[in-house]
Amino acid sequence: KNEVEQSPQNLTAQEGEFITINCSYSVGISALHWLQQHPGGGIVSLFMLSSGKKKHGRLIATINIQEKHSSLHITASHPRDSAVYICAGWAGGFKTIFGAGTRLFVKA
Amino acid sequence: GAVVSQHPSWVICKSGTSVKIECRSLDFQATTMFWYRQFPKQSLMLMATSNEGSKATYEQGVEKDKFLINHASLTLSTLTVTSAHPEDSSFYICSARDSGLAVYNEQFFGPGTRLTVL
Repeated sequence: KNEVEQSPQNLTAQEGEFITINCSYSVGISALHWLQQHPGGGIVSLFMLSSGKKKHGRLIATINIQEKHSSLHITASHPRDSAVYICAGWAGGFKTIFGAGTRLFVKA
Repeated sequence: GAVVSQHPSWVICKSGTSVKIECRSLDFQATTMFWYRQFPKQSLMLMATSNEGSKATYEQGVEKDKFLINHASLTLSTLTVTSAHPEDSSFYICSARDSGLAVYNEQFFGPGTRLTVL
């Protein structure tokens, strides 16, 4: 079992749908990253959060430290949101633990 | 936000040659940079942690003589794949941690370098 688990692994949605990607972790972490990787490969950091909720445009990230769970929500999804979304936990020091990623495809 | 660049973005080389990949933090100083490798449809695998002015720390199973890392300045780290072979073909990604940020130092990722060894 991975220390950082994401679900679902793959997700296909219709344009406009509300999307939720979940991340659960079994180790103690100080902060959690949500990353976006487009087909070209480059990675963009969407959020880093250690508590509560953050919002940026149509993206919302939440984290519950007690339950060791984080979610990434995309409202009014669009085909350009198609990408792999990766959650990564920062365990202190220089250790970052990556989830396997959720592959999202949004159909027009 | 902070920007990390990588050069080249892609490279094709013959087996047996060496390839150098650069990772630069463009608008911040990074005492620590990370080198990752990613195989198709898999997540990032940390290869080594690069520390400015000192030797890199390699993860278990990563050959330090094969993957030479130099972090000569606060804005530049290089990864040299020596005597490359087809099995070294992969997507290499670096990230940098902003030395100026306190506590939860966020990592900023480069765009990656796709290496193909023929």
